[in-house]
Amino acid sequence: AIQLTQSPSSLSASVGDRVTITCRASQGINSALAWYQQKPGKAPKLLIYDASSLESGVPSRFSGSESGTDFTLTISSLQPEDFATYYCQQFNSYPITFGQGTRLEIK
Amino acid sequence: EVQLVESGGGLVQPGRSLRLSCTTSGFTFGDYPMTWVRQAPGKGLEWVGFIRSKAYGETTEYAASVRGRFTISRDDSKSIVYLQMDSLNTEDTAVYYCNPVFKWGLGYWGQGTLVTVSS
Repeated sequence: AIQLTQSPSSLSASVGDRVTITCRASQGINSALAWYQQKPGKAPKLLIYDASSLESGVPSRFSGSESGTDFTLTISSLQPEDFATYYCQQFNSYPITFGQGTRLEIK
Repeated sequence: EVQLVESGGGLVQPGRSLRLSCTTSGFTFGDYPMTWVRQAPGKGLEWVGFIRSKAYGETTEYAASVRGRFTISRDDSKSIVYLQMDSLNTEDTAVYYCNPVFKWGLGYWGQGTLVTVSS
């Protein structure tokens, strides 16, 4: 199974900061990666699909990129509503897998 | 508008069975594969399984943790996908979500249904 390792597991940041979360795949996944945001008690929300495509309705401060087996979610300027947990997910091969999550907290 | 309503959750004893349903609307159900994802209390997201459309034989894939115990099926005439869960154990306690797979990113989520496995 393809393992996805997110880093950091948690981070503290301030409103207006630029934040980067990384997801490293244990092998190549052909850009078949998605990013989600989840707030407590809510279902996840899709932010990015196909590694770098912005989901409709998601603010443009969110972006995704890839370099080999490293995938990055960047939030260019944190807003108060962005404090949440973020997950990556790969669809390249079965079993489909998620990263362990990154908790983004207010500093 | 795509709508997903998961149901059938509840409290069940270890070793027993439960069947979850996901009633969908707002898209051509029969054209798309469906997947189930779960989340244990306070834990991360875990993919459970996947069923392809009829055009691809309604074949299924499962996570290792549920393979042989869980079965996904679909009824295209009713736009419903099912998750039959047998031999449940406490580690299966979670909120279960179903999703249509329109692309490699799950853009639609229901409210989920909570399954609690406890004696």
